[in-house]
Formats: sequence, structure tokens, C-alpha cells
Amino acid sequence: GQNIDQPTEMTATEGAIVQINCTYQTSGFNGLFWYQQHAGEAPTFLSYNVLDGLEEKGRFSSFLSRSKGYSYLLLKELQMKDSASYLCAVTPPGSARQLTFGSGTQLTVLP
Amino acid sequence: SQTIHQWPATLVQPVGSPLSLECTVEGTSNPNLYWYRQAAGRGLQLLFYSVGIGQISSEVPQNLSASRPQDRQFILSSKKLLLSDSGFYLCAWSVQGSTEAFFGQGTRLTVV
Repeated sequence: GQNIDQPTEMTATEGAIVQINCTYQTSGFNGLFWYQQHAGEAPTFLSYNVLDGLEEKGRFSSFLSRSKGYSYLLLKELQMKDSASYLCAVTPPGSARQLTFGSGTQLTVLP
Repeated sequence: SQTIHQWPATLVQPVGSPLSLECTVEGTSNPNLYWYRQAAGRGLQLLFYSVGIGQISSEVPQNLSASRPQDRQFILSSKKLLLSDSGFYLCAWSVQGSTEAFFGQGTRLTVV
């Protein structure tokens, strides 16, 4: 089975940097996703890591360590619009490749 | 380009009434299709996934069912809604063999 842990809530200040951690225990692993979800809206894709290391995409970066079952999402130069829930999801081996999501981290950016 | 349509956006239904939520995908063929539910303040829970017409896999036991009558159509149904069925329902699709899911805009269901 899959078990994914991430903090429930985080608060940061506009312009700052925040790191959202995600740990997972899975019976198999085929990649980790980060999604952003604003209240009442559908999740939108942020990043995908399948190999160890850091993937950078603009203000957002995602890191993966498969041996540690650990990932983080790094948000730089925070903006008010970054206030949202950030969902960590893993995909196990299998033909359907369905995602298993964590409960999400609600990030609040303060002025 | 590919698009996913899900409707209705909001729904208020009495306990014991039936449910039908529809999702269609355009611009692709033979997608994987998924139904997720998100309870308030919780993560996304996979309810059903389908790798082809008529092929449905259920992840959790419940009073919901899913059907895929056409390649790009996925329907979530219930014969009798429960209060616990309230939540935010999301349809999603992915390319066969790929792992990235693309989500519809969701249906907020309130059972009263």
C-alpha cells in the first residue's frame, strides 16, 4: 500500500522562501508529483520527479530522494497568489498508473 | 489540444436520491480515466479508474459505481446517496503509459 505524509498547514511571508516536505512509504514507486490546488478548484500540475535530485522550474523547485522516501517542494519569492493547498502524490508501478495523494499542505502567504 | 469537461459544477441532493456525474475528454483517445473524491480539508481519494471501455476498477468499497460507456466518457453514479457522500468530486485523465493526471474542474456535491 501507500502512505504519504506532509504537514497540514504552513505560513510564510510574501517574498520569502518556503519548503514543503513530503515523505512516503510505498510498496513500489514510479515517480512523485506535486500539484497546487486553490480552494474550490481542481489541482494543477507543478512538477514530476522520478530520479533523485532537484528539478527547477521558475520559482518552484522539487527535490526527490528515493532511498529516503522523501521529497520537498521549494517555493521562492512567495506571492500572495501562492496561497493554496500543495498536494504530494506518488505513482506506483502498474498499468493504470493511478496516483495516490497525500492530504495536502495548506500554505498561507501573509503580506 | 486535450480538454476535460465535468458537470455539473455544484449539486445539492437529498439523502436517498440518485446521482449521476458525467465527465468527457476531448482531443485524445484511449485515455486512463479516474474519479477522485476530496472531503473537506482532506486529500484526494481515488474512487475508480478505467483503462478502457467497460473496464472499471474500484479502489474503495462504497455505494458509488462508475461506468465507461464510451472511450472518452466516464460516469459516476449512485442509486441512493448518503450524507457521507458529500464532497468535491474530481474526474481526471492520463495518457496510457503516462503518469501525469489532468483534472476536470470538479463537482461540489452536498447531500442534505
